[in-house]
Amino acid sequence: DAGITQSPRHKVTETGTPVTLRCHQTENHRYMYWYRQDPGHGLRLIHYSYGVKDTDKGEVSDGYSVSRSKTEDFLLTLESATSSQTSVYFCAISEPGLAGYNEQFFGPGTRLTVL
Amino acid sequence: GQQLNQSPQSMFIQEGEDVSMNCTSSSIFNTWLWYKQDPGEGPVLLIALYKAGELTSNGRLTAQFGITRKDSFLNISASIPSDVGIYFCAGPRGSQGNLIFGKGTKLSVKP
Repeated sequence: DAGITQSPRHKVTETGTPVTLRCHQTENHRYMYWYRQDPGHGLRLIHYSYGVKDTDKGEVSDGYSVSRSKTEDFLLTLESATSSQTSVYFCAISEPGLAGYNEQFFGPGTRLTVL
Repeated sequence: GQQLNQSPQSMFIQEGEDVSMNCTSSSIFNTWLWYKQDPGEGPVLLIALYKAGELTSNGRLTAQFGITRKDSFLNISASIPSDVGIYFCAGPRGSQGNLIFGKGTKLSVKP
């Protein structure tokens, strides 16, 4: 158990509404990531954070924003949800160390449906 | 851009059989990671490889870092029903620990 929780675990919302997903970790890891998983595309990086208030874009960042005001929380916001953002969203954490910070550990996921 | 190709995309096997799958890259990697995802859950790290030619085991799972640094292999010996799931390979993309993932190999076991 990597000490990662995601909330909510399931959400149904309507097109045009704002949505915020939360990732919470108890391990004090420096790096946090948001991915989306879609059939035929695998896991794709949306945004990541390398410290408090330090974030950067990933492969599919359009339509998403993130914030990290505390080490333990990484928020993903869809300012105006679209049907193309229906997906399963995963948070991951990692920590630089002897094993390298490429080893990422994933949360349980949030299934988001945009109608 | 970088791509990871996993093969096969899916496979059905009899319980007790050995399984092999592989992952190839269009560019050289210095790390290979193998994950397993069960339905409705997040991916779980199985094995990490950091050196070309490295062979690492985790129970019935064995993974190898190809000597060309453009491929990796995962073998499962004596498969059991709980091996069902999707297996992903992953490698680093750029800096900051970012990963690129393959599209997965879906494993189904006939009891």
